[in-house]
Amino acid sequence: GENVEQHPSTLSVQEGDSAVIKCTYSDSASNYFPWYKQELGKRPQLIIDIRSNVGEKKDQRIAVTLNKTAKHFSLHITETQPEDSAVYFCAARVQEGSQGNLIFGKGTKLSVKP
Amino acid sequence: EAQVTQNPRYLITVTGKKLTVTCSQNMNHEYMSWYRQDPGLGLRQIYYSMNVEVTDKGDVPEGYKVSRKEKRNFPLILESPSPNQTSLYFCASSPPWRVHEQYFGPGTRLTVT
Repeated sequence: GENVEQHPSTLSVQEGDSAVIKCTYSDSASNYFPWYKQELGKRPQLIIDIRSNVGEKKDQRIAVTLNKTAKHFSLHITETQPEDSAVYFCAARVQEGSQGNLIFGKGTKLSVKP
Repeated sequence: EAQVTQNPRYLITVTGKKLTVTCSQNMNHEYMSWYRQDPGLGLRQIYYSMNVEVTDKGDVPEGYKVSRKEKRNFPLILESPSPNQTSLYFCASSPPWRVHEQYFGPGTRLTVT
């Protein structure tokens, strides 16, 4: 089955710097790659996603890139702010039957120091 | 307001005492899922449901049961809880054909002593 690896497990940056989180997946049939943000004590929330026919997607300070050949995708956060501190999860959607299923990475704890 | 609700939010119980965590969504979503979150292990799927009366095992189904008798509800049942089921549990739902856009409930923190 699908396996999603996420690195690093923890990341500390200075406010204003950029942060990059990387994920790899194993199933070449995976076709959607969402990223979720989980603030301390709260539920995960979808922040951005990318589909397999797109190489890059941006939304203000966050961007995702996808390399289908290498089977890896990354989250880029520019001009980081303290409120970006959270645990970030990547995921891959595996097409199963008519709808598919979602496999998550283990998460990256991002700390942005003011 | 569109939302996923879970009850209870916190529960402390003893080994072997059956319990049910309820999950309900008001968005008419077909797809619903249960995850457990443990430090260093991320979100691991327990069970999921594509639609009413259609359920399937996720990655860690042992010790859990689910049912989907109506679209809005997807309860998680622990017939005989054990301490290794102490965890934070999340229910999630998503629109049809968009499993990657999951809406999570607020979480249930379960402690089994």
